Amino acid sequence: GQQLNQSPQSMFIQEGEDVSMNCTSSSIFNTWLWYKQDPGEGPVLLIALYKAGELTSNGRLTAQFGITRKDSFLNISASIPSDVGIYFCAGQDANNAGNMLTFGGGTRLMVKP
Amino acid sequence: NAGVTQTPKFRVLKTGQSMTLLCAQDMNHEYMYWYRQDPGMGLRLIHYSVGEGTTAKGEVPDGYNVSRLKKQNFLLGLESAAPSQTSVYFCASSPFWGGYTGELFFGEGSRLTVL
Repeated sequence: GQQLNQSPQSMFIQEGEDVSMNCTSSSIFNTWLWYKQDPGEGPVLLIALYKAGELTSNGRLTAQFGITRKDSFLNISASIPSDVGIYFCAGQDANNAGNMLTFGGGTRLMVKP
Repeated sequence: NAGVTQTPKFRVLKTGQSMTLLCAQDMNHEYMYWYRQDPGMGLRLIHYSVGEGTTAKGEVPDGYNVSRLKKQNFLLGLESAAPSQTSVYFCASSPFWGGYTGELFFGEGSRLTVL
């Protein structure tokens, strides 16, 4: 079953505001990833994190791999209307023999112009 | 710039009917996956393939079958559709095992409704 708790489930913000979302797991992860799904499209990889404590930016997006290896967060600064979509965290469980990816339930972001 | 292409994009089935979803990728990727997306549940892996002629079960394989006769194609079949299989299905591919790198390339999705 699903092992990742992603929050919040949805956010409705004003254009220009900063956004923060996070994912927590009950087990240690080796990899943390953040994907974005635009309406009617498939998810696209935004940021990949491979090392505990790693902080990585991609334009206005910043993500961090938690020191405990059980969490990750994604920040979006100065949101714009095209940031609308569903953001998924995903990771590879260190205890998963098949090294499968596990996805969080998603955070639906809505931006009011 | 085709990438990963799924057909059909939309389909409505009656309970008990069968159908096949086709996924085609033009990136010469070894690995291919089928996921289903349900509200609040994220993406759950149905089946995957590590190369031509191979398939394996993922997290939620029951009620589905797959085949990978050609490297570029990965088919997902529903033998006897049930309302619980109403979902959006995504195909993905990757050059390396997705669990290690996370770099999956997704198609646009196929929305299936089972009445």
